[in-house]
Amino acid sequence: DIQMTQSPSSVSASVGDRVTITCRASQGISNWLAWYQQKPGKAPKLLIYGASSLQRGVPSRFSGTGSGTDFTLIISSLQPEDFATYYCQQANSFPYTFGQGTKLEIK
Amino acid sequence: EVQLVESGGGLIQPGGSLRLSCAASGFTVSSSYMSWVRQAPGKGLEWVSFIYSDGSTYYADSVKDRFTVSRDNSKNTLYLQMNSLRAEDTAVYYCARTSRIAAAGSEWFDPWGQGTLVTVSS
Repeated sequence: DIQMTQSPSSVSASVGDRVTITCRASQGISNWLAWYQQKPGKAPKLLIYGASSLQRGVPSRFSGTGSGTDFTLIISSLQPEDFATYYCQQANSFPYTFGQGTKLEIK
Repeated sequence: EVQLVESGGGLIQPGGSLRLSCAASGFTVSSSYMSWVRQAPGKGLEWVSFIYSDGSTYYADSVKDRFTVSRDNSKNTLYLQMNSLRAEDTAVYYCARTSRIAAAGSEWFDPWGQGTLVTVSS
């Protein structure tokens, strides 16, 4: 199985800050990576697919980079509504796997 | 509007069975790829199962031989039959449409349903 490791597990930041979350796959997955945002009590929301394609309706302050084993989600200027937990997920092969999540908290 | 609504969760004793439903609107389940994903209380997301439009299925090792994904085309509904339930199956279960652009190496879950809570306890 492909293991997905996110870092950091949690991060404190302020409105307006630039935040970077990384996701590493235990083996190469090309671009088969998606990023999701989840708020408490809500279903996950798709942000990025294909490692770098922005889902329609998602603000442009979100961006994704990477290919192979190393991926990054960048939030260029944090807004109050961005405080949530973020997950990466690989779809290169079954079983699909998620990272353990990164909780973004208000400093 | 594309929408998914899960139902069927509840409290069930260990060893029992439960069937979850995922009613779709705005698209056709039978011609789509669909997935189930679960989230134990306070924990992260765990992929559970996948069904292709041709009906072929895949499962996580943790549920293989106990869970079965299926669909009713006439009701445009996806199901997850869960047998031999264990305490560790306690989770919110989400269904999600799964989209793929193979040439671009892209696959993603969107949209997701609101989730249904399954609690396995005596």
